Formats: sequence, structure tokens, C-alpha cells
Amino acid sequence: QSALTQPASVSGSPGQSITISCTGTSSDVGSYNFVSWYQQHPGKAPKLMIYEVNTRPSGISNRFSGSKSGNTASLTISGLQAEDEADYFCSAYTSSSTVLFGGGTKLTVL
Amino acid sequence: QVQLQESGPGLVKPSETLSLTCAVSGYSISSGYYWGWIRQPPGKGLEWIATIHHSGSTYYNPSLKSRVTISVDTSKNQFSLKLSSVTAADTAVYYCARRQKGASDYWGQGTLVTVSS
Repeated sequence: QSALTQPASVSGSPGQSITISCTGTSSDVGSYNFVSWYQQHPGKAPKLMIYEVNTRPSGISNRFSGSKSGNTASLTISGLQAEDEADYFCSAYTSSSTVLFGGGTKLTVL
Repeated sequence: QVQLQESGPGLVKPSETLSLTCAVSGYSISSGYYWGWIRQPPGKGLEWIATIHHSGSTYYNPSLKSRVTISVDTSKNQFSLKLSSVTAADTAVYYCARRQKGASDYWGQGTLVTVSS
């Protein structure tokens, strides 16, 4: 099984919106609505930001939103803030009952 | 509040077996959910290793399956990971996490395991 494909880096200015894509196959991203997104600051454990494609856990800002079309999922962050600068990873549950992660995207807030 | 804490040796010799334990507090493993291990080599991305259900059902990363065993001890409210025949490529921060609805919602702080002689 291959990792999901994410852009290595994205950037945006404070207040702007950015979108991070996550491309898989019909056996993972396209198979179920079990796509999740994680934020990771340096030296910290990943933090769940989105699950089931577009659901935010309690306490996560509504500036974070998720979507999916076919085999590609997306994370959008609106109203960028300095504290959003971090690495972001997507993940998908597969038809083989395994879990795949994306390679990660480094978000830089300019 | 659910909390997870990894423990185990920080240094393992090549060809030996890496053993880690994840102690869970604030929730009884026997009550449900899935529990798993994820690792992250220094400066790299996340890699799923294995997941276990409280009933004992197990799921493994195909690329690691021949070397990995995940187990649960409900009496101690903890679950464990064993990775055999380790090499330098297994050097990573190892995280334990609770899984539900296809996502890992609670994570341990992570523990760095270095494989070196």
C-alpha cells in the first residue's frame, strides 16, 4: 500500500484561506468516508482536526473544514492565523482494514 | 479526560525486539474502541503500525506484519507493541492512540526509540 499524496508545502498570509489536498485511490480515500486530518507542531504529538471527511472534534475551530471528491480529500483553513503554522497529515481507512497516512504538508504562514 | 502514556526502552540493539507499552487512563479499554500504534521517523511522516480492538481483533500494516505483534491487557488497562528484528530504519518516535470512526482522537506524547549498537 502506498502513502496518500499531499503537497510538500503550502503557504498563505494571515487572514487568507488555504487548501491542502490528499489524493488516494478507490481502495482508500474513495472507499469510505473515514478520512481524517491531523495538525502537528514541532516536537508535539499529532492533533485530530477533522474526522469522517468533514466533522470537527469538540474544541476545533470552525476555520478548519474538510471535504472529499472521488479519491481526493481536502482540508481548508480559512482566516489563517500564525498558530496554524504546522505540519498537516491526512489519513484514510482502507478497504483492507488498514490505515494510510499522507506524506505531510508543511504550512507556512507568511 | 482520556490520557495515553507510552513507556519502554529508548535504545534497542539491531536484530533485537522493540517492546513498548501504552497505559490508558480516564477510560476503560474493555469498554470499547480500537487502540493502535503509529510511528514517525525523525523528520519524516507518520506510519500506521497496528490496531487492536478491546475484544482482541488485530490489524497490521502489511509491510510490518511479519515482525509486529500488538496485544491488550484489559486487567492493567494497557496495550503493547512488539517489533522484532529491528534495524536502524525502525528508529522513530512511537505513538499510541485511541481510534474511533476511522481516526485517532487521543494520542500519547510519543517516545523516541533509537536502534543502535
